[in-house]
Amino acid sequence: EVQLVQSGAEVKKPGESLKISCGGSGYTFIGYWIGWVRQMPGRGLEWMGSILPEDSNTRYSPSFQGQVTISADKSTSTAYLQWSGLQASDTAMYYCARGYCSDGSCSGGFDHWGQGTLVTVSS
Amino acid sequence: SYELTQPSSVSVSPGQTATITCSGDNLGSQYACWYQQKPGQSPMLVIYQDNKRPSGIPERFSGFNSGDTATLTISGTQPIDEAVYYCQAWGSNTLWVFGGGTKLTVL
Repeated sequence: EVQLVQSGAEVKKPGESLKISCGGSGYTFIGYWIGWVRQMPGRGLEWMGSILPEDSNTRYSPSFQGQVTISADKSTSTAYLQWSGLQASDTAMYYCARGYCSDGSCSGGFDHWGQGTLVTVSS
Repeated sequence: SYELTQPSSVSVSPGQTATITCSGDNLGSQYACWYQQKPGQSPMLVIYQDNKRPSGIPERFSGFNSGDTATLTISGTQPIDEAVYYCQAWGSNTLWVFGGGTKLTVL
């Protein structure tokens, strides 16, 4: 069974750093893209970026380029999303999801999702 | 940046057909997917590659993508289908993009 398990909820102060995780199991972790998706309170889904763990090829949405860093550890089948200086506007639910791609096309969408990590940034 | 536009809400009576649209410049040249999200839950893929259903998704869910519009159709809508539906496109240049979401009300 494919599973993506995310780290627990976080409460941080503005300016603090944070790294949240997404552990994959039940499939060949390195062969699938992992995407990160933000959902601000009461708002829609926003694609932040994706990484292919096999070679750490990382693509970012222009809206999030330079704001976050996505990484992956093949040895532990874990992907990460990190911030170096959080802002109140980063308060949101963050999902990781497996991107199904083949032959250079990611037409398969995000077929499995983690349970989400709630990040609250408040002074 | 590439944008996808969805109606904010759609209402349908039980047993009727619900149609949710997603518009984007030449969207038909990209692949469209659709997700269902119920309150307090993670999104769930219901349509991928324009018109394919993942295992376990009922046949009443179907998709079409052509021109500037992708469409999600739910035939014989049931109360359990009430949720927010998001379209998502993938293109080699635009990568992954989500629409703003459509709240489907079954009443």
